[in-house]
Amino acid sequence: AQSVTQPDIHITVSEGASLELRCNYSYGATPYLFWYVQSPGQGLQLLLKYFSGDTLVQGIKGFEAEFKRSQSSFNLRKPSVHWSDAAEYFCAVGARSNDYKLSFGAGTTVTVRA
Amino acid sequence: KAGVTQTPRYLIKTRGQQVTLSCSPISGHRSVSWYQQTPGQGLQFLFEYFSETQRNKGNFPGRFSGRQFSNSRSEMNVSTLELGDSALYLCASSSTLENTGELFFGEGSRLTVL
Repeated sequence: AQSVTQPDIHITVSEGASLELRCNYSYGATPYLFWYVQSPGQGLQLLLKYFSGDTLVQGIKGFEAEFKRSQSSFNLRKPSVHWSDAAEYFCAVGARSNDYKLSFGAGTTVTVRA
Repeated sequence: KAGVTQTPRYLIKTRGQQVTLSCSPISGHRSVSWYQQTPGQGLQFLFEYFSETQRNKGNFPGRFSGRQFSNSRSEMNVSTLELGDSALYLCASSSTLENTGELFFGEGSRLTVL
């Protein structure tokens, strides 16, 4: 069965500093990978996705993620964090063999300090 | 294009009551999934409907049920409410034409059980 691990439950970062959120997945075939962001009391918004091709993908709000097959990872990065990036971030994985049903990680809460 | 719409956004019920939540997917999306989100358990998959048929089901008791109508709108019902059912219930739709598993989420229905 596919699974997703986000090792960091909570990360605090200073405004203007860089941010990296880790995501590891467990699945035999090449999965479809996603990062979602959730602001308090809101639904989940898609930041970016990887299906195939270039392993470095660009998303909205200045985020990017890199797929590393050898490490089964799909880490999310942002060079310079803004206070509005404070939110919870979820990594998700899907696969054709599982009817594309997404499995979500437990989430990483990002706090931005001034 | 309108996004996923969930109603009601907030509701308060007492133990033993039942509740019905509604979800209107993005126009043209025929797959609707439901998730329960709580601080302790994170995002948990409830069920997925496609063309009025339940295609996938998570590990929830029979008190949780759903259905999908011919216009792809979906409802979920929770009977005999328990305190532990307090959660944010998220609906998501996806395009089976693209078939990647990418989910588009609504803002959720916040249920409080007293």
